[in-house]
Formats: sequence, C-alpha cells, structure tokens
Amino acid sequence: DTAVSQTPKYLVTQMGNDKSIKCEQNLGHDTMYWYKQDSKKFLKIMFSYNNKELIINETVPNRFSPKSPDKAHLNLHINSLELGDSAVYFCASSQGYVGTDTQYFGPGTRLTVL
Amino acid sequence: QKEVEQNSGPLSVPEGAIASLNCTYSDRGSQSFFWYRQYSGKSPELIMFIYSNGDKEDGRFTAQLNKASQYVSLLIRDSQPSDSATYLCAVINNYGQNFVFGPGTRLSVLP
Repeated sequence: DTAVSQTPKYLVTQMGNDKSIKCEQNLGHDTMYWYKQDSKKFLKIMFSYNNKELIINETVPNRFSPKSPDKAHLNLHINSLELGDSAVYFCASSQGYVGTDTQYFGPGTRLTVL
Repeated sequence: QKEVEQNSGPLSVPEGAIASLNCTYSDRGSQSFFWYRQYSGKSPELIMFIYSNGDKEDGRFTAQLNKASQYVSLLIRDSQPSDSATYLCAVINNYGQNFVFGPGTRLSVLP
C-alpha cells in the first residue's frame, strides 16, 4: 500500500506548455507539501496545505499553483513551463504542521523541460 | 550566508567506523532540527529530529544539538555500506514559517 503517491513519475515536455502533477496520500494526514529538488540536489519547500488551507507559500513564481480538492490530494499545476523548472518534485504529507510531525515523501516526479 | 550549511562531501568511512555529519545554521530562532537520508534516485526519509540541546540516540544514530554554537550533528555508529546515501539537515523556526534544508552531505561507507 503506497502511503504517498504521485503521478506521473516522469514528465517530459516542451517549454511554454502547461502541466500538472498529482499527489494523493492515504495516511489520513492533515498537512501536505510540495518540494522541488534541483539538479544540485537542493531540496526546497514550495507549498504546504493544512486541511485544504495554504499555510506556507514560499517565493515561487506564480506560474506554480497548488490545488487541493480535499485533504488527501494536493496537485501542482505549472503554467508556461521554463527550462529552469526541470527538477524532481516531491509531494509529502504529515499529520501535524511542518516540522512537528514526521513527513512522508512520495516517490517524486522528474520533470524535464526541453 | 546560507541559512543551512553542510559539507557536500563525499565523506568516506570504512565499514564499522563512526560517521560524523555536521550541519550549521544561521537563524538563532531555529527551533527544531531534522536529519533525513536520501538514497540516490529515491525520496528523503526522516531519520530523527531533535529539539533540545544535547544528544538524542536512536539505535545506531545519535543527533547532537548545540544551539549556542548553532550546529547540529549526526553520528552513525558501526557504519554499514547500506548507510551510503546523502544526508540532509533541515531546520525550522517561526512555528513552521521557515523550513529550510541544507545541501546535503554524501556519505560513502566502504566495505
């Protein structure tokens, strides 16, 4: 049973396209996150949702928009993709707020923008 | 100054030795400190966290926190080849409003 799942695992697309990455967790957690890990392996938090409310919105371009239809899902939509968006995107979840409870990460989505 | 710094490595230790991984942070308001392990091509997984000054032990792992000196370290006793991975330090302050990862240290345990 996969705790945190992401789709797709790989995504290759052209500059300027719009794409979405889906995330689902079956742990009953209240908080979900999106992280970006670039080619230098820096892992940076992008967004966090607690019970469908945005509680962290780091300084990411507004081309990135998280959507949470319910507390088990947090999707990431990216408009007008750029070369610099190429990275691995991880979804994660935890019961409490970030830092207070163990976060469980999804397997990651490797996005390549050509 | 970067918020969270780690030696990128690689840090190589022989099997059975103690591996010592260090992390320094710049924000004195930091409250909680985390160590994650990430195998190549895989997602990060939490090893342990520490809130208070001193040592915290969990099996072969010991986290050490010194808030006055603004550093946190992770010791791995009896290192195994399976411990070879990148270890990420993460720091949080302001009740979750600033959660920052370090660049990670790549550890290689040689059989």
